[in-house]
Amino acid sequence: SQKIEQNSEALNIQEGKTATLTCNYTNYSPAYLQWYRQDPGRGPVFLLLIRENEKEKRKERLKVTFDTTLKQSLFHITASQPADSATYLCASRGNAGNMLTFGGGTRLMVKP
Amino acid sequence: DVKVTQSSRYLVKRTGEKVFLECVQDMDHENMFWYRQDPGLGLRLIYFSYDVKMKEKGDIPEGYSVSREKKERFSLILESASTNQTSMYLCASMGVGYTFGSGTRLTVV
Repeated sequence: SQKIEQNSEALNIQEGKTATLTCNYTNYSPAYLQWYRQDPGRGPVFLLLIRENEKEKRKERLKVTFDTTLKQSLFHITASQPADSATYLCASRGNAGNMLTFGGGTRLMVKP
Repeated sequence: DVKVTQSSRYLVKRTGEKVFLECVQDMDHENMFWYRQDPGLGLRLIYFSYDVKMKEKGDIPEGYSVSREKKERFSLILESASTNQTSMYLCASMGVGYTFGSGTRLTVV
């Protein structure tokens, strides 16, 4: 079955460092991957979309890569700040329909 | 700024009650979705709709139904609430990405 997975362990980093989060998918080939940020008690907020023919996408301090060989997307936050602390979710569409399947999310904690 | 509005942030209902969760979007999107989110289980799709009066089951539709009488409004109905339906419910509509509402934290006692 199609799976999209993220490291469930929290990632703790020091302010100013680069945070790197991983998203792996198996048993399908998504046309694109999306990344969301979710704060406690709130709905996820869309951050970035990367298509399968794009190796890399940037938005301000965010960078996303998509490696179809490794079946993996990496999400980077450079010069991280405590305000970046949140849970980050990756998502993709399966082979049919418009509904997204979400990974379980990785919680990022940036310490001052 | 685009918006998805869920009618209640917090709701407490009794077992066996019929519960309505309302969701309204102002982006003229065709596709709308209902998810529930539970610790350790992530976001799970309950139902979605790709047009007015159209609905499709998601991964966990049992115990739920939906209504889409107007394009901007997508309602989730718990026919007879049970304690295992205590959860965070999230509505979304689809543009480039999904726009989610703020969520409804439902507690069934």
